[in-house]
Amino acid sequence: QVQLVESGGGVVQPGGSLRLSCAASGFTFSSYGMHWVRQAPGKGLEWVAFIRYDGSNNYYADSVKGRFTISRDNSKNTLFLQMNSLRAEDTAMYYCAKAPGFSYGDYWGQGTLVTVSS
Amino acid sequence: QSALTQPPSASGSPGQSVTISCTGTSSDVGGYNYVSWYQQHPGKAPKLMIYEVSKRPSGVPDRFSGSKSGNTASLTVSGLQAEDEADYYCSSYAGSSKLVFGGGTKLTVL
Repeated sequence: QVQLVESGGGVVQPGGSLRLSCAASGFTFSSYGMHWVRQAPGKGLEWVAFIRYDGSNNYYADSVKGRFTISRDNSKNTLFLQMNSLRAEDTAMYYCAKAPGFSYGDYWGQGTLVTVSS
Repeated sequence: QSALTQPPSASGSPGQSVTISCTGTSSDVGGYNYVSWYQQHPGKAPKLMIYEVSKRPSGVPDRFSGSKSGNTASLTVSGLQAEDEADYYCSSYAGSSKLVFGGGTKLTVL
């Protein structure tokens, strides 16, 4: 069965950095694009970034472009999100999602919480 | 890109049908047949219910259906059950390799 397990969240000061991971199993990771989607406490979902199956192209929301970098290691079935220059408004639960097509995620992890606070 | 517009709440009694709308523009909902719907129970991850406007993933009951007219997409839940009470989010491809979500609708089963 498909499993996605996020890790790497925590408390970080404004301006700091954090690297999230998403360990995938139960499917051929190297054949699928992947999304990061976040959800601020008590708020709705916000798309963050997408990476193609082979890592050849990455796409970002305007709110994180230039600060966040999505990447993947297909040999280790792992997705990453490097987050730099973090702001209070980046505080959220971060989910990774398997993407058979760019427009949707059919399986989601349970999320990892990022809190940006001094 | 601006968020898609959803009503904050919707409700219905068990066995009834309820429809949740998702309004965008010609640059997102109206421009592509790439609307998805997600169900999220409190403290849980989102679950895909509908993709590409009206397609249902394996395992999703056929009580859930999706449609689109112009710039507005809709999710209809027929034969409401207690376990359908959750938050529902729409999303759409918005061009230029971007995705946009709606603000979410809290569905209450009375």
